[in-house]
Amino acid sequence: AQSVTQLGSHVSVSEGALVLLRCNYSSSVPPYLFWYVQYPNQGLQLLLKYTSAATLVKGINGFEAEFKKSETSFHLTKPSAHMSDAAEYFCAVLQGAQKLVFGQGTRLTINP
Amino acid sequence: EAQVTQNPRYLITVTGKKLTVTCSQNMNHEYMSWYRQDPGLGLRQIYYSMNVEVTDKGDVPEGYKVSRKEKRNFPLILESPSPNQTSLYFCASRGAYNEQFFGPGTRLTVL
Repeated sequence: AQSVTQLGSHVSVSEGALVLLRCNYSSSVPPYLFWYVQYPNQGLQLLLKYTSAATLVKGINGFEAEFKKSETSFHLTKPSAHMSDAAEYFCAVLQGAQKLVFGQGTRLTINP
Repeated sequence: EAQVTQNPRYLITVTGKKLTVTCSQNMNHEYMSWYRQDPGLGLRQIYYSMNVEVTDKGDVPEGYKVSRKEKRNFPLILESPSPNQTSLYFCASRGAYNEQFFGPGTRLTVL
């Protein structure tokens, strides 16, 4: 079964600094990987997805993620944090055709 | 606008009082599912449906029922809610590229 581990339940960065949210997966088959963002009191919004095309995936709001098979990683980055990026971020892997398996989430705080 | 809707958004109830959370999508998706979100546990799948009249258990199905009589609707039923079902619930439908679209969530409190 596939699984996802997000390193760091809380990450805090200064406005304008690099954002790096870590995600490692385990999968016996080429994975479909996703990053979702959840703003307070809202549902989950898809940031980006990896579906075995390009290893560097660009998403919305300036985020991108790089698939590294050798490291079984799919870390999310943004060059310059904005206050509006404060939210909870979830990495997920598609298991079979039935469901998404989510990591535990990383809460991102942006300091002014 | 393509979306998944859920109702109600907030619900406070008492142990044992049957309730239904509705979910509807307007994207003609065949696959729909329900998740619950709890602090420190991320999201866990409760039930899913591959198509009309086809449903199956996810990781945490105990205490829940679902039905899929129409493609667009996938209600979640708690016939005898208990306090351990206090949680944030999300309905989702799946698009053509395996991405899932989530509803806004239903925050349920069972006293």
